Amino acid sequence: GAGVSQSPSNKVTEKGKDVELRCDPISGHTALYWYRQSLGQGLEFLIYFQGNSAPDKSGLPSDRFSAERTGGSVSTLTIQRTQQEDSAVYLCASSVTGQGGQPQHFGDGTRLSIL
Amino acid sequence: AQTVTQSQPEMSVQEAETVTLSCTYDTSESNYYLFWYKQPPSRQMILVIRQEAYKQQNATENRFSVNFQKAAKSFSLKISDSQLGDTAMYFCAFMKITGTASKLTFGTGTRLQVTL
Repeated sequence: GAGVSQSPSNKVTEKGKDVELRCDPISGHTALYWYRQSLGQGLEFLIYFQGNSAPDKSGLPSDRFSAERTGGSVSTLTIQRTQQEDSAVYLCASSVTGQGGQPQHFGDGTRLSIL
Repeated sequence: AQTVTQSQPEMSVQEAETVTLSCTYDTSESNYYLFWYKQPPSRQMILVIRQEAYKQQNATENRFSVNFQKAAKSFSLKISDSQLGDTAMYFCAFMKITGTASKLTFGTGTRLQVTL
């Protein structure tokens, strides 16, 4: 596809369950980012991957959050033992490289609702 | 750490008129990028315009232009000839230049409504 693809578009789950969110970046983009957008808030950085380098996990809010990127392409964000405060839109973005102010291209996001 | 402030939660403009959205930021970096993104109800973040801090000339993209005041740490977005399709949330964002991937730091956004 031409753009960043995220799935599912919407996810509703019960408190305490684990969830996996998927991101398929633009082909050839080496940098991949995850952000979280809570209601009425701006976007909050979570984690990024750049090529084969170790990911920057500095934005992950707790050890219940983890992410991986397999084969330098698709990424999965996993939230374990979900809490109501995890309810948000999770946005993924990719860029050609991570250098020199390359613009980030965003997917449509996954809206996560924790009951 | 960088911070980005958008002091106008909501704004309204009539079709064909001009509107300016404000953004200020705080950083100790001397070189960086600034961005404006648009988020319509579809949720996708769309890049509107980008400004390199070391360039004094203000960036323009068709009806969109910025007023970049580096000393004042101000980066406002001007939308000329507003159209109904401009209705969206607008986010100002800061990117520090590093040798590797750089995260965006966003403001809280301004909701723009374009009316007939």
